[in-house]
Amino acid sequence: QQQVKQSPQSLIVQKGGISIINCAYENTAFDYFPWYQQFPGKGPALLIAIRPDVSEKKEGRFTISFNKSAKQFSLHIMDSQPGDSATYFCAASKDSGYSTLTFGKGTMLLVSP
Amino acid sequence: EAGVAQSPRYKIIEKRQSVAFWCNPISGHATLYWYQQILGQGPKLLIQFQNNGVVDDSQLPKDRFSAERLKGVDSTLKIQPAKLEDSAVYLCASSFYGEAFFGQGTRLTVV
Repeated sequence: QQQVKQSPQSLIVQKGGISIINCAYENTAFDYFPWYQQFPGKGPALLIAIRPDVSEKKEGRFTISFNKSAKQFSLHIMDSQPGDSATYFCAASKDSGYSTLTFGKGTMLLVSP
Repeated sequence: EAGVAQSPRYKIIEKRQSVAFWCNPISGHATLYWYQQILGQGPKLLIQFQNNGVVDDSQLPKDRFSAERLKGVDSTLKIQPAKLEDSAVYLCASSFYGEAFFGQGTRLTVV
């Protein structure tokens, strides 16, 4: 049972464009939704996270939008840069993040120069 | 602050052999996770420790995989005997207040 569904699998965006990655979850007990960025040969690193008491969180060029009623959340990367080329994973957990993370399958982002 | 340390970085073994991975979490992090990441997929939890007690090992194939965390610090993950489908990156992560920090992982190839 896939509890966190992520799309698209891969994404090509031109430099300066907006990258959008979507995730949907099933378990209404989830209350912590982080996004991780992973470069080849490296472990995932936390990029940005949101809790369901807010609908949007912005950190620099990265924004999470959260829709509790639809059980969906998305990552927007504004002014995408070649250095943003990586695999992005959404995740979800219960207990304000103290429980184990359930990951989506990942989106491979390529930002073309 | 030092990150999560894992070794070895790479390992190639034949099927039916055994292998062990080591993880040293960030100092003071009580929670430690082992994840399996198959190529092209997201990490899948194998086991979660809180200090040296097991919190969740529901997805650990216990007939071949074992893990321990002695003294609530370092941890080892063992596979015996390995199968071809165990080829993956094994990630260790630790957390203190929710946020998980990952090591670089051990890439295992079973031939």
